[in-house]
Amino acid sequence: ETGVTQSPTHLIKTRGQQVTLRCSSQSGHNTVSWYQQALGQGPQFIFQYYREEENGRGNFPPRFSGLQFPNYSSELNVNALELDDSALYLCASSLGAGGPGETQYFGPGTRLLVL
Amino acid sequence: GDSVTQMEGPVTLSEEACLTINCTYTATGYPSLFWYVQYPGEGLQLLLKATKADDKGSNKGFEATYRKETTSFHLEKGSVQVSDSAVYFCALTFTGNQFYFGTGTSLTVIP
Repeated sequence: ETGVTQSPTHLIKTRGQQVTLRCSSQSGHNTVSWYQQALGQGPQFIFQYYREEENGRGNFPPRFSGLQFPNYSSELNVNALELDDSALYLCASSLGAGGPGETQYFGPGTRLLVL
Repeated sequence: GDSVTQMEGPVTLSEEACLTINCTYTATGYPSLFWYVQYPGEGLQLLLKATKADDKGSNKGFEATYRKETTSFHLEKGSVQVSDSAVYFCALTFTGNQFYFGTGTSLTVIP
């Protein structure tokens, strides 16, 4: 069974640029969630996709957008990068659209540095 | 709003010492509660969970009991090992959709 994978592992961008991060969900999982983890902080929920539709969004501006593909892999796009976007971006997959005790399984993350 | 508060670290213990990491939550209902662990340079791994009051989650010698009366989910281990050195995150969710994480507690175990 393949776990959650993310690419790239590290990325350096400059302010104002755009970035795309990618995630492949664990085998059998149809839900993908994205989190931003700033240094020394806990992960903050960005949004979730279930069967290619957005299924919840945290307190992030519209320049954070996403996609989920028919194979349940996902992309996170961030436009007009700001210095504060520097963080570890985590993808998590889960079996369904939610429910008590639904567990999310995390990938290793993409570390983004914005200069 | 819904939130999780963890004891601040870092925590440094000698091998075989007892561990307790405090976690309390604020929520409008009865969430499911989780502990995740993050090893250096890696993503988060599920350590244990509990979905209702008085449930005890356990894994790898770690335990946590869901206490509704005190809105707590403290992580405990009777004898820590060097390999337990990591950052531990308490989290809650209602729907499995959005998880709310604490700020994390760094644990270092010295031989």
